Amino acid sequence: EAGVTQFPSHSVIEKGQTVTLRCDPISGHDNLYWYRRVMGKEIKFLLHFVKESKQDESGMPNNRFLAERTGGTYSTLKVQPAELEDSGVYFCASSPLGHLATDTQYFGPGTRLTVL
Amino acid sequence: DQQVKQNSPSLSVQEGRISILNCDYTNSMFDYFLWYKKYPAEGPTFLISISSIKDKNEDGRFTVFLNKSAKHLSLHIVPSQPGDSAVYFCAASADSGNTPLVFGKGTRLSVIA
Repeated sequence: EAGVTQFPSHSVIEKGQTVTLRCDPISGHDNLYWYRRVMGKEIKFLLHFVKESKQDESGMPNNRFLAERTGGTYSTLKVQPAELEDSGVYFCASSPLGHLATDTQYFGPGTRLTVL
Repeated sequence: DQQVKQNSPSLSVQEGRISILNCDYTNSMFDYFLWYKKYPAEGPTFLISISSIKDKNEDGRFTVFLNKSAKHLSLHIVPSQPGDSAVYFCAASADSGNTPLVFGKGTRLSVIA
């Protein structure tokens, strides 16, 4: 079974540009989470989808970030326009619905975003 | 303000000895705690968890201890192996795991052969 995949693995953009990150969860996982780790700091929660619905987006930094999960399958996270402080590693995680979400969250390898 | 704190950024241990990684939390609503392990260029991998109704959970070489009164937990790895070298993240959640994970900054463990 394929794990959580994320694309691209790295992205280098200039301040003011737009970037879209993609996450493909494990097939059948209804829970999908986005997290971000800024260098040297903790991994921070951004938002949580249950199927196509946003369950919790309390961690989204500001309205430059837009997450979607059309059809309840893959998800995209768009940053527009990107700022320097958006640099970091963006992780996606998924888990089945109906279980304790925490101990079955499977993480993808992350997308390293660098804003110059 | 950090709710989950890992005050040791790094730890070096000799192969075969015990590794002890520590974690403190401030939010008394947290009732579920986890440890994740992360290798470079990979995502965090779940290692072990503990509910607040317990004070110890063991899985092979890994044991997590929880001291609720001190708001402290620790991960013990015995015996330590070179393959254990990684960054270890402590994470916590409230409402029996139904709220988002709150992570610490991580501790880099180096196991020296």
